[in-house]
Amino acid sequence: AQSVTQLDSHVSVSEGTPVLLRCNYSSSYSPSLFWYVQHPNKGLQLLLKYTSAATLVKGINGFEAEFKKSETSFHLTKPSAHMSDAAEYFCVVSRMNTGFQKLVFGTGTRLLVSP
Amino acid sequence: GAGVSQSPSNKVTEKGKDVELRCDPISGHTALYWYRQSLGQGLEFLIYFQGNSAPDKSGLPSDRFSAERTGGSVSTLTIQRTQQEDSAVYLCASSLQGAGAGELFFGEGSRLTVL
Repeated sequence: AQSVTQLDSHVSVSEGTPVLLRCNYSSSYSPSLFWYVQHPNKGLQLLLKYTSAATLVKGINGFEAEFKKSETSFHLTKPSAHMSDAAEYFCVVSRMNTGFQKLVFGTGTRLLVSP
Repeated sequence: GAGVSQSPSNKVTEKGKDVELRCDPISGHTALYWYRQSLGQGLEFLIYFQGNSAPDKSGLPSDRFSAERTGGSVSTLTIQRTQQEDSAVYLCASSLQGAGAGELFFGEGSRLTVL
């Protein structure tokens, strides 16, 4: 079965410092992995996706993630946090379910950015 | 419309009442999903529609929950005899095809509170 574990429910950083949001996955075959972001009272938005091409994936707003098969990880990083990055971030794995690929979401990591 | 539209944005109801939540997907998107987001939880898959195929209802938590999609476009999620544990944000998403490598576009959700 496919699943994801987000290791931190909350991460706090100062503006201008690096961001690291951790995600480990479990998959019985080569997975597709995603990061989605949810700003307060907004719909979820795709940040980036990994689909077995380059292991380092670049997304929107300066975020990137690296697929590491040996560590079963797909951590999200950004070199310098901005106040507008404060939001909830979801790591997502895709798995097959009766003919379609279903997205399985982690429990989310809330990113807090202080001035 | 430009994005996925959901209504109502907020719904407060009494235990035992029926509620209907509406989703208007992005025009041309053949795949439509309903997810439930409870406080402190990840997103829980409920149901998936793809074109004219029979929906995948494997995520519906009980027979009080049902959904339909008319004309391959608008979808309605119905919860009968609501219970307090049904309180959550119900999210609708659409995509051009069954998600996997594809991106899901989410609405802002319908927040349901059952008193």
